[in-house]
Amino acid sequence: GAVVSQHPSRVICKSGTSVKIECRSLDFQATTMFWYRQFPKQSLMLMATSNEGSKATYEQGVEKDKFLINHASLTLSTLTVTSAHPEDSSFYICSALQGEAFFGQGTRLTVV
Amino acid sequence: AQSVTQLGSHVSVSEGALVLLRCNYSSSVPPYLFWYVQYPNQGLQLLLKYTSAATLVKGINGFEAEFKKSETSFHLTKPSAHMSDAAEYFCAVSENTGRRALTFGSGTRLQVQP
Repeated sequence: GAVVSQHPSRVICKSGTSVKIECRSLDFQATTMFWYRQFPKQSLMLMATSNEGSKATYEQGVEKDKFLINHASLTLSTLTVTSAHPEDSSFYICSALQGEAFFGQGTRLTVV
Repeated sequence: AQSVTQLGSHVSVSEGALVLLRCNYSSSVPPYLFWYVQYPNQGLQLLLKYTSAATLVKGINGFEAEFKKSETSFHLTKPSAHMSDAAEYFCAVSENTGRRALTFGSGTRLQVQP
């Protein structure tokens, strides 16, 4: 099956700094990628839909100025958590569509 | 609008016993339905999917699920549990048109006792 690589797998950052998470489709091109957030022992919640060459579509309640999404190429979408706070600590997972959704391995973000 | 309800946040079975994880969905349009498995600190792996073909869907690792429109259900089963099946399982739904974002259920943690 198709492979989606997410980097980094874990990151610890200080409160107030920004963190960039990359999501790459390794063997296919993806015009659409999705970013999800998962709190401990909870399900995945869709944050935004990333469209290559256009602005991302954010779900209700997700701050677009805080969670910056860039989908500059058909194989790469990035999520930047700006001015991170401890409450942003979570597991972030991306997926890319090629007929079906393929998921990255996730990024564990801890803000201290 | 779509939603997924997974009954039972925790299910415990003995090794070799039947696994049954329940999923009910709500969708205003014909749905696509999925089961994913997640191991700790990892992404999601697709077990199986229903996309309006056969109602009984076979997936990887011996899992299968049956789409029952009259019951709006898509329960996941496996005849004989293995220790390696212990994980978190998510049922998800998407519309068969448009953006194809997934709506996930709350998840069921499967424990397999020796």
